[in-house]
Amino acid sequence: AQTVTQSQPEMSVQEAETVTLSCTYDTSESDYYLFWYKQPPSRQMILVIRQEAYKQQNATENRFSVNFQKAAKSFSLKISDSQLGDAAMYFCAYRSALDTGNQFYFGTGTSLTVIP
Amino acid sequence: EPEVTQTPSHQVTQMGQEVILRCVPISNHLYFYWYRQILGQKVEFLVSFYNNEISEKSEIFDDQFSVERPDGSNFTLKIRSTKLEDSAMYFCASSGTYQGNQPQHFGDGTRLSIL
Repeated sequence: AQTVTQSQPEMSVQEAETVTLSCTYDTSESDYYLFWYKQPPSRQMILVIRQEAYKQQNATENRFSVNFQKAAKSFSLKISDSQLGDAAMYFCAYRSALDTGNQFYFGTGTSLTVIP
Repeated sequence: EPEVTQTPSHQVTQMGQEVILRCVPISNHLYFYWYRQILGQKVEFLVSFYNNEISEKSEIFDDQFSVERPDGSNFTLKIRSTKLEDSAMYFCASSGTYQGNQPQHFGDGTRLSIL
């Protein structure tokens, strides 16, 4: 089974600064999808950004961007110009591109604190 | 924006009792999922459901668990005889398509506490 590792249980960043959350994964598959989800306190998980493994270009969504290193099996999330509303638990997730690969594999999450 | 809703937000149950967790997926979605997260651990897949049948399940989803779509809107997870180790946050999710790059939309979760 695929495994997803988030080695930083907690991170903090000063408001307006940049922070990078790390994620690595283990798979023998060549085609798959990677996601970052954000879970604010007592709220549902919301998709932040996604990346198709076959695409070399790193995905970006406004202040959020990823550094996808397929050979290294690394998928880090960069948050630029951090805002107070970015404070949340962030989960990295893997999903196979195979027809039977319906489920997400999640990491343990990184709790991000934004300091005013 | 449409949301996945889950009820109750917190359920406290005696060990050995049956519990039903309820979810209302986004109305035009066709694929439904349950995940759980034991405190301090990662979110784990339990089961996926499509066309009124289970399409995939994990080894966690044993005979104590069942899922049902009793009507056109609800998607339920039943635990027949709860154990202490079933205490966790349970998340329901739905997606409109099977395509792998499409996100699953998650509910707020139900915190299940077994006494």
